[in-house]
Amino acid sequence: EAQVTQNPRYLITVTGKKLTVTCSQNMNHEYMSWYRQDPGLGLRQIYYSMNVEVTDKGDVPEGYKVSRKEKRNFPLILESPSPNQTSLYFCASSRSGGAYEQYFGPGTRLTVT
Amino acid sequence: GNSVTQMEGPVTLSEEAFLTINCTYTATGYPSLFWYVQYPGEGLQLLLKATKADDKGSNKGFEATYRKETTSFHLEKGSVQVSDSAVYFCALSDGASNYKLTFGKGTLLTVNP
Repeated sequence: EAQVTQNPRYLITVTGKKLTVTCSQNMNHEYMSWYRQDPGLGLRQIYYSMNVEVTDKGDVPEGYKVSRKEKRNFPLILESPSPNQTSLYFCASSRSGGAYEQYFGPGTRLTVT
Repeated sequence: GNSVTQMEGPVTLSEEAFLTINCTYTATGYPSLFWYVQYPGEGLQLLLKATKADDKGSNKGFEATYRKETTSFHLEKGSVQVSDSAVYFCALSDGASNYKLTFGKGTLLTVNP
């Protein structure tokens, strides 16, 4: 089954404690992206990757890091989480840039206290 | 930059009622347009898309037509069902912005039996 998986689905952590949210897709997609969803703001892109070892900032990259060492994986790293990073995070992938459907993971709800 | 404006709702309808959710956009290039749907507790799924002016996207009884002259992509369904209750997002993507999805803020639809 074609899918995007994220782990963990729920996470409560404290300010400053480094964390990683994993994202994996099994569709051999080149393009992967991270979004955060906040009430009243919709979804905003954090980082994206056009292919292995190619990553770039989206609209709200501050406080986040990513890496793309393998085609299937695109982890999101919060080196020093802060309460304003409390949000619902979605990973997405698609065949490449263009009018292709982006497939979304189920989401990770992060709370930083 | 690109932007999407959609009616924010919430929208509450009775079963079999007609649905319209308005969406207008601003883009510098020639974007592709999408409607995504988010059911409770799930990630986003593509509902329909259109890649050029006058294209009509359709799926599951939903339709939307790409209107370049009015920069609009309104979502319609002739007869909604309780199972259509979800949050609906209008989005655009173009090469000038590296194919990221720019989303509207979402419209919560509740359909009552």
